[in-house]
Amino acid sequence: EAGVVQSPRYKIIEKKQPVAFWCNPISGHNTLYWYLQNLGQGPELLIRYENEEAVDDSQLPKDRFSAERLKGVDSTLKIQPAELGDSAVYLCASSRTSGGSGNEQFFGPGTRLTVL
Amino acid sequence: GENVEQHPSTLSVQEGDSAVIKCTYSDSASNYFPWYKQELGKGPQLIIDIRSNVGEKKDQRIAVTLNKTAKHFSLHITETQPEDSAVYFCAAIDVGNEKLTFGTGTRLTIIP
Repeated sequence: EAGVVQSPRYKIIEKKQPVAFWCNPISGHNTLYWYLQNLGQGPELLIRYENEEAVDDSQLPKDRFSAERLKGVDSTLKIQPAELGDSAVYLCASSRTSGGSGNEQFFGPGTRLTVL
Repeated sequence: GENVEQHPSTLSVQEGDSAVIKCTYSDSASNYFPWYKQELGKGPQLIIDIRSNVGEKKDQRIAVTLNKTAKHFSLHITETQPEDSAVYFCAAIDVGNEKLTFGTGTRLTIIP
């Protein structure tokens, strides 16, 4: 089966500019996650979707970040305006379902954002 | 919320030797502990996981042990090979909010 697809793979922008990342999860996966990974750190959850509903966005900086998952498939993460500190890798992951019992999360290759 | 600590941050071993990476977690209610391998320019990939009702799990050269009382779990890689070189992350799931919390990673280098 095809893996999680993300685009673009790399993005360089100037501060205060907007930027958007796109993710296509594995077919049939209801749960979609966006993570932020700073250099030398583990991924940190930004938002989790169950189908088209954002069920956990507590870590999403809502003043500048927004996300959507129309029709419960593809998802877009947007930053407007970008700041220098937003430079990081943005990872998308998907799983069949979520839950405390644990369901394997499959990660995409990530988008490396550089803000100048 | 959950807090996961991982040690060491870097590890170099001779090819063929064993490597051990250790993690501790804070939330005694956590019940799922995956390990991910991340190669340069790629996303993390699950290599093995363990649930709280099991003390040990093995898959070929990789094994994970879990001590619920002490709240720590470890990854063991035997007969290391150059392709094992990567960054490894442990993680624990917070059953309260179903959020996967990652450790800070271990950069493993296999010396040929």
